[in-house]
Amino acid sequence: RKEVEQDPGPFNVPEGATVAFNCTYSNSASQSFFWYRQDCRKEPKLLMSVYSSGNEDGRFTAQLNRASQYISLLIRDSKLSDSATYLCVVSPGWGKLQFGAGTQVVVTP
Amino acid sequence: DVKVTQSSRYLVKRTGEKVFLECVQDMDHENMFWYRQDPGLGLRLIYFSYDVKMKEKGDIPEGYSVSREKKERFSLILESASTNQTSMYLCASSPLGGQGRPRTNEKLFFGSGTQLSVL
Repeated sequence: RKEVEQDPGPFNVPEGATVAFNCTYSNSASQSFFWYRQDCRKEPKLLMSVYSSGNEDGRFTAQLNRASQYISLLIRDSKLSDSATYLCVVSPGWGKLQFGAGTQVVVTP
Repeated sequence: DVKVTQSSRYLVKRTGEKVFLECVQDMDHENMFWYRQDPGLGLRLIYFSYDVKMKEKGDIPEGYSVSREKKERFSLILESASTNQTSMYLCASSPLGGQGRPRTNEKLFFGSGTQLSVL
C-alpha cells in the first residue's frame, strides 16, 4: 500500500468552476502536510502548507482531517493557468517527505 | 532569484556505464536531496544530505551513491547504470532547521530535472 494516495484524474474543469480533490495518507504520526504544484515537464513548486484548522490562499483552500487521515484541496473560480498536476506531500518526520503520485487538473475554456 | 541547477536536462547512457548527475544551489542551503520521479509512483527519495560530507539514505538508495564535497554541490552517482534506473531525477534543497535537522515545514526548491534514459 502506498503511503500517500491520490486520485490520478484527470479532473476536467470548466473555466470558472470549482474543483476539489483529496489525498489519503497511511502514517497517523505524520506531522506536516503540503500541496505542491507541478506543471507539465517542470519541477514541483510549493503551492501551500496545510494547517490543522484549514487555510486559504486566494482561490485555494486546503483542509486536514487527521481522524480520517486525508487532506483536501479546493480550487475556486478555476483559471486556465490552474491546469497542472497537484502533488500531495506528507512529512512523517525528520528530513523525509512522502509524495503522492499527483492529481491532474485540466481547466477547459 | 533562488536557483537549483542540474547539469543536464536529458541524458542517454548505456547499461553498465557510470553516471554522474550534478546539482548546484546558490541559496546557501544546508539540506540537499535527490529524488526520482516515475509515472504513477510519485517522487521517491534516494539520498539526502544535511551538511558537507554528510549523507543519509532515503527510501530507495540501492544502486546509487552521493557526494557532497562542497555545500553548494550535491552529486548523484549511478555506479553501473541499469535500465530500471531510467527515470526523471530531481534535485532539491532547503534551509536547515533546529538541532541540525531539516525543517519538515520548510519548502523544497527543486531543480528542473534530468531525464535519464539507460539503454
